[in-house]
Amino acid sequence: AQSVTQLGSHVSVSEGALVLLRCNYSSSVPPYLFWYVQYPNQGLQLLLKYTSAATLVKGINGFEAEFKKSETSFHLTKPSAHMSDAAEYFCAVSLYNTDKLIFGTGTRLQVFP
Amino acid sequence: EAQVTQNPRYLITVTGKKLTVTCSQNMNHEYMSWYRQDPGLGLRQIYYSMNVEVTDKGDVPEGYKVSRKEKRNFPLILESPSPNQTSLYFCASSPTRGGAMIQYFGAGTRLSVL
Repeated sequence: AQSVTQLGSHVSVSEGALVLLRCNYSSSVPPYLFWYVQYPNQGLQLLLKYTSAATLVKGINGFEAEFKKSETSFHLTKPSAHMSDAAEYFCAVSLYNTDKLIFGTGTRLQVFP
Repeated sequence: EAQVTQNPRYLITVTGKKLTVTCSQNMNHEYMSWYRQDPGLGLRQIYYSMNVEVTDKGDVPEGYKVSRKEKRNFPLILESPSPNQTSLYFCASSPTRGGAMIQYFGAGTRLSVL
């Protein structure tokens, strides 16, 4: 069965610093991978998704993620953090022949001035 | 505006008192789903529906019911709520099925069962 592991439930960075949120997946077949973001008091919204095309995926708000099969990873990065990036981020995995999305436990990002 | 609307946003109730959380989408999506979010556990799927009158259990269906009589509505029913159902609930919908689908989420319903 597929699963995702998000390392670090809390990450703190200074404004302008690199953001790196880690996600490792487990799947016996090529997966689809997603990053969703949840701003305070809001529902989740899609940041980006990987569906076996380019391994480097660009999303909204300057975020990107790289699919690395050898490391079974799909880490989320942003070169320069902004205060408005403070939110909870969820990695998720799915398979092509299912209607099921499996979420990680989430990483809360804090951005300090 | 395209959206998924949940009501109520906040609800405090007592053990055993039946309640319904409504979910409605105006995007003509076939797929709808309910999740609960708990600290340290992420989002877990409760039930999902691939079309009208078609529903199936997710990972944590115990204590919940759903129905899909109309395409736009997918209410979540707690027949006899218990304190362990205190959680943040999200409804989501998607225009497509399959692993690559993007889900659109409502703003959430925070439920406390005393």
